[in-house]
Amino acid sequence: GAGVSQSPSNKVTEKGKDVELRCDPISGHTALYWYRQSLGQGLEFLIYFQGNSAPDKSGLPSDRFSAERTGGSVSTLTIQRTQQEDSAVYLCASTLRPTPQGSGELFFGEGSRLTVL
Amino acid sequence: KNEVEQSPQNLTAQEGEFITINCSYSVGISALHWLQQHPGGGIVSLFMLSSGKKKHGRLIATINIQEKHSSLHITASHPRDSAVYICAAMNYGGSQGNLIFGKGTKLSVKP
Repeated sequence: GAGVSQSPSNKVTEKGKDVELRCDPISGHTALYWYRQSLGQGLEFLIYFQGNSAPDKSGLPSDRFSAERTGGSVSTLTIQRTQQEDSAVYLCASTLRPTPQGSGELFFGEGSRLTVL
Repeated sequence: KNEVEQSPQNLTAQEGEFITINCSYSVGISALHWLQQHPGGGIVSLFMLSSGKKKHGRLIATINIQEKHSSLHITASHPRDSAVYICAAMNYGGSQGNLIFGKGTKLSVKP
């Protein structure tokens, strides 16, 4: 596709249920980021994938959160046993591989708005 | 102290005014990104720069590597420029996927 695609755009779930959020990055972009944004707040880093390297999971807030990236392309963020504090917009971004000289432009998806009742 | 600091946090301007948003960083960078986020909308990239100055329409971004400082300027501001402007430092080899975000500057341009 032409841009970063995220699905679903909106998800309402009940506390305790599991949810999966999907990100389809721009073709050829080896770097993929997941962020969380609560209402009126800045971007909170969750996880970073770069090619076949081990992901940087340092931002995942608890072991209920996990993410994978299959075939170096599509990524899925899974939240198990959702809690109300998980309600936020989950944003995915992709770019060309970062180098000491910089990177390509950052492209963000439209986000997945998660509401946990 | 955050590694990437933006100022001001909030900015209200009258239509037509010249606007400056500042970004200071404490890490070594390979590039600096300026991003725009409209209310309820996604995030779009405005500029990526590693030196000097870039211009796109009414927007100008500058960076001073020695002073570890970047500015985003908007000339002849318009209400449609109302948005949150975010700078992000690409710190190759650093944490969080090499990318550290400022907290954003919320700009409101009044007609």
